[in-house]
Amino acid sequence: EIVLTQSPGTLSLSPGERATLSCRASQSITRGNLAWYQQKPDQAPRLLIFNASSRATGIPDRFSGSGSGTDFTLTISRLEPEDFAVYYCHQYGSSPIFGQGTKLEIK
Amino acid sequence: QVQLVQSGAEVKKPGSSVKVSCKASGDAFITYGVIWVRQTPGQGLEWMGGIMPIFRTTNYAQKVQGRVTITMAESTGTAYMDLTSLTSEDTAVYYCATANLNGLPILWGQGTLVTVSS
Repeated sequence: EIVLTQSPGTLSLSPGERATLSCRASQSITRGNLAWYQQKPDQAPRLLIFNASSRATGIPDRFSGSGSGTDFTLTISRLEPEDFAVYYCHQYGSSPIFGQGTKLEIK
Repeated sequence: QVQLVQSGAEVKKPGSSVKVSCKASGDAFITYGVIWVRQTPGQGLEWMGGIMPIFRTTNYAQKVQGRVTITMAESTGTAYMDLTSLTSEDTAVYYCATANLNGLPILWGQGTLVTVSS
């Protein structure tokens, strides 16, 4: 069973800064079936990135995804106040699983 | 804008069952499939299972296999998640989400809080 490990657990940054979130898989993820979600308190998750690097409909271009195999990254180029939330990576398709999340908080 | 609307919060006794529904708003229909994910209080997301009527397949997470059943009433476009033999560890917010052909959760419902307590 694949395990997804996200780092860091908490990331403290200021608006305007660049955020880099990591997701590492214990085995190679086939067909790039890796997605990123944003979740704010008392809200459902929102799809940001799928196929490792494709932005979902309506997602601002400051969000970008990259990576392949076992190492994936979500980058937020310039943080806006509304970007502070918890971010999850997710392998979908066969053996679906979520990472434990990275909390992005205001410094 | 299409939304997924889930049934309301439930309080259940240990050992009982719960059935949560999920339907697209208005005349919209769920095109490919539905995934169910739960989130225990203050914790992360746990994939529970999914149904793909187009392939006539259902898949369940090993942790809940044998206790969970996911179905879809195609005439109404409503998906259901049935969880039996509830314990306090099943206390969580349960989310449904539409899925594409690859099982990617896309559009999420608002969540349904299920509380298991004696």
